[in-house]
Amino acid sequence: AQKITQTQPGMFVQEKEAVTLDCTYDTSDPSYGLFWYKQPSSGEMIFLIYQGSYDQQNATEGRYSLNFQKARKSANLVISASQLGDSAMYFCAMRESTGNQFYFGTGTSLTVIP
Amino acid sequence: DTGVSQDPRHKITKRGQNVTFRCDPISEHNRLYWYRQTLGQGPEFLTYFQNEAQLEKSRLLSDRFSAERPKGSFSTLEIQRTEQGDSAMYLCASRSGLHYNEQFFGPGTRLTVL
Repeated sequence: AQKITQTQPGMFVQEKEAVTLDCTYDTSDPSYGLFWYKQPSSGEMIFLIYQGSYDQQNATEGRYSLNFQKARKSANLVISASQLGDSAMYFCAMRESTGNQFYFGTGTSLTVIP
Repeated sequence: DTGVSQDPRHKITKRGQNVTFRCDPISEHNRLYWYRQTLGQGPEFLTYFQNEAQLEKSRLLSDRFSAERPKGSFSTLEIQRTEQGDSAMYLCASRSGLHYNEQFFGPGTRLTVL
């Protein structure tokens, strides 16, 4: 089974609107971390936000927030007030406490429309 | 600190040739990862170092691939007898040993095997 599933290959959002990028995960480890990365066309992976499995509150970093629903094993990324510079690939990733490996999803391509 | 650096940024080689890539992590990071990313996919884990020790290696990794981190600082990834299927972006990432700290990625080396 896939550890990380991103079901939206591509998404479009109007500038200044909010958008949610979906991510579900699969693990039996009670302790894990969830990460979101942005990859612009230049290719470099940029860390956006982190959520720990025991964190009581949803993580927020500026315009990024993570909608963490533990029972549903989902960790959706919400980008508020979209900007043209947000157009990029977005990857969800997970690391379990029992290992060192990071598992990545297949990504979602986000296009912000002026 | 200038972040994670990789060299070369691009490499074109003929099938059957050997290639070697270098990664210089963030200086205080003792964890180092190598990933491979093909078009439309997320990064795929190849191998992991803690200091100079190679602690994890993907089961999917061919024995044509070898990685080293001799002094626990920079790392090299060598691919012997390259095949066209090896064409991909090779990403290096590093992180500190703090629990669940995010990885910082380098710009990647794009390999094209003709």
